[in-house]
Amino acid sequence: AQSVTQLDSHVSVSEGTPVLLRCNYSSSYSPSLFWYVQHPNKGLQLLLKYTSAATLVKGINGFEAEFKKSETSFHLTKPSAHMSDAAEYFCVVRRATSGTYKYIFGTGTRLKVLA
Amino acid sequence: NAGVMQNPRHLVRRRGQEARLRCSPVKGHSHVYWYRQLPEEGLKFMVYLQKENIIDESGMPKERFSAEFPKEGPSILRIQQVVRGDSAAYFCASSQDRGNEQYFGPGTRLTVT
Repeated sequence: AQSVTQLDSHVSVSEGTPVLLRCNYSSSYSPSLFWYVQHPNKGLQLLLKYTSAATLVKGINGFEAEFKKSETSFHLTKPSAHMSDAAEYFCVVRRATSGTYKYIFGTGTRLKVLA
Repeated sequence: NAGVMQNPRHLVRRRGQEARLRCSPVKGHSHVYWYRQLPEEGLKFMVYLQKENIIDESGMPKERFSAEFPKEGPSILRIQQVVRGDSAAYFCASSQDRGNEQYFGPGTRLTVT
């Protein structure tokens, strides 16, 4: 069965320093993977997605993620954190089942950005 | 070009009342998905519907919860006789086709008092 594990429930970084949010997946075949961001009391916004094309995926707001099959990882990075990046981030794997697709969410990583 | 719309954004119900949550998909999308997010958790799949059909309800609680997506109008998630444990954020997503990307609405935050 496909699943994702977000290794850190909370991450704190200083403004201007790099961000690393870790995600490992389990899948019996090449998965489709996504990162979503959720700001407080807001909906979900798609940051980026991997669907078996280029392994380095660039998203919005300077975020990117690298699909590493050998490590079953899809970590989210950003070179320099901004205060507005403070939010909850979800790693998601898309699972095909009985002709439909379900999104399987990780438990989330709350990113705090310190001034 | 409106995205997925959900209303109400916030809903307060007393225990035992009914809650009705509405979702209007992106224009042209005929596939709707409902997810529930309990406090401090990720989203969990509840049900997948196409127009007038429930395709997959494997994530729906067996009692008190129902969903529909009529030919005309929004998709409705109905919770009867709400209990405190139903307090959560309920998100709707839509897609153009089964394999396409899902677009999420802003959610409805249900509070049961």
